[in-house]
Amino acid sequence: AQKVTQAQTEISVVEKEDVTLDCVYETRDTTYYLFWYKQPPSGELVFLIRRNSFDEQNEISGRYSWNFQKSTSSFNFTITASQVVDSAVYFCARHGGADGLTFGKGTHLIIQP
Amino acid sequence: GAGVSQTPSNKVTEKGKYVELRCDPISGHTALYWYRQSLGQGPEFLIYFQGTGAADDSGLPNDRFFAVRPEGSVSTLKIQRTERGDSAVYLCASSPQGAGGTEAFFGQGTRLTVV
Repeated sequence: AQKVTQAQTEISVVEKEDVTLDCVYETRDTTYYLFWYKQPPSGELVFLIRRNSFDEQNEISGRYSWNFQKSTSSFNFTITASQVVDSAVYFCARHGGADGLTFGKGTHLIIQP
Repeated sequence: GAGVSQTPSNKVTEKGKYVELRCDPISGHTALYWYRQSLGQGPEFLIYFQGTGAADDSGLPNDRFFAVRPEGSVSTLKIQRTERGDSAVYLCASSPQGAGGTEAFFGQGTRLTVV
């Protein structure tokens, strides 16, 4: 199986700190897509970003930014000036081929006031 | 409705019973996915429909699990002879096209507890 690894099980920071969530993926596909989803306590998965394998440009959206590096098979996610509302479980996922998304085990992010 | 709707939100059943979980995707979305999420884990792919047909059912754990989408819209995940290990949150997602080209929109899930 082509795995997605999120090595950080839980991260706890104080509000306003910057925090980076790591994601490393395996793939044999030439074309694939990478995703980040947020799962707040309510349980619904909320889409954050999709990136295709041909686009290595970093992306910034407000306080969120993503660093995609094919050379290291990594797709890391940084939250700048974290807020309590950012507390959630964050999942990195990969899509390649006909099947669905392959998710990592998630990183539980706790932002303390 | 505007989003993916799953019913029931919670289901408690006895070991050995049969259960059906329903998913109403976003109108017009041709792709529909079922995932299973156990406590502390990421969602695990079960099956993918493109229209009425199952394009990939490689994630179904065994033959007790079956899913249908007869009219290319609503889907039902069916579990026979439930076991305690089937307890999990079952998530449904839909997308306009399928494959990785677009994001998948997730429902809030059905929490299945087998006692």
